[in-house]
Amino acid sequence: EVQLVQSGAEVKKPGESLKISCKGSGDNFINYWIAWVRQMPGKGLEWMGIISGDSDIRYSPSFQGQVTISVDKSIRTAYLRWSSLKASDTAMYYCARRISTAAYFDSWGQGTLVTVSS
Amino acid sequence: QSALTQPASVSGSPGQSITISCTGTSSDVGGYNYVSWYQQHPGKAPKLMIYDVSKRPSGVSNRISGSKSGNTASLTISGLQGEDEADYYCSSYTTSRTWLFGGGTKLTVV
Repeated sequence: EVQLVQSGAEVKKPGESLKISCKGSGDNFINYWIAWVRQMPGKGLEWMGIISGDSDIRYSPSFQGQVTISVDKSIRTAYLRWSSLKASDTAMYYCARRISTAAYFDSWGQGTLVTVSS
Repeated sequence: QSALTQPASVSGSPGQSITISCTGTSSDVGGYNYVSWYQQHPGKAPKLMIYDVSKRPSGVSNRISGSKSGNTASLTISGLQGEDEADYYCSSYTTSRTWLFGGGTKLTVV
């Protein structure tokens, strides 16, 4: 069974940078795409973007320019990075797997809670 | 790109059936048979319940079904049980090669 394990909770100040991670288990990581999904407190899921094992990246227009998605396939890990956090970035962030022939997300990480507060 | 439209809440009694709608446009829901549904219990990660409009992953109850007509997809849960109480989200692939989620529907089993 594929597992996605995300990095731990973070508490940051506005203006600070942050990179969170999502590590996949199993082989064939190159055949996966990893999506990032935001869930603000008490709110719904928002699709942020997705990256393939060979770094094909697509962003939601709402998040383009606000975050950077990357991948290191040698260690089966995807990343979500902010260069300057805002209080409004406070949320739970999930990674989710899409196999390359699918249009859905069949495996999800446990979530990383990011809190941005002065 | 706007979120897909779902009712904020639905409710039903144990044993009854409920249907949750998910309305998009011809650029997403209506354009492809790539609608999926996710269940999320409080404090937990989402779980895939339906993919490609009406297919169930292994292990998902056959009380769960999906359908689509035009720009609106639907999730039906029959024989409601207490464990079905959760938030449900639809999602669709889009013509921009991205994905959209619906705003989510809170299902209460009363």
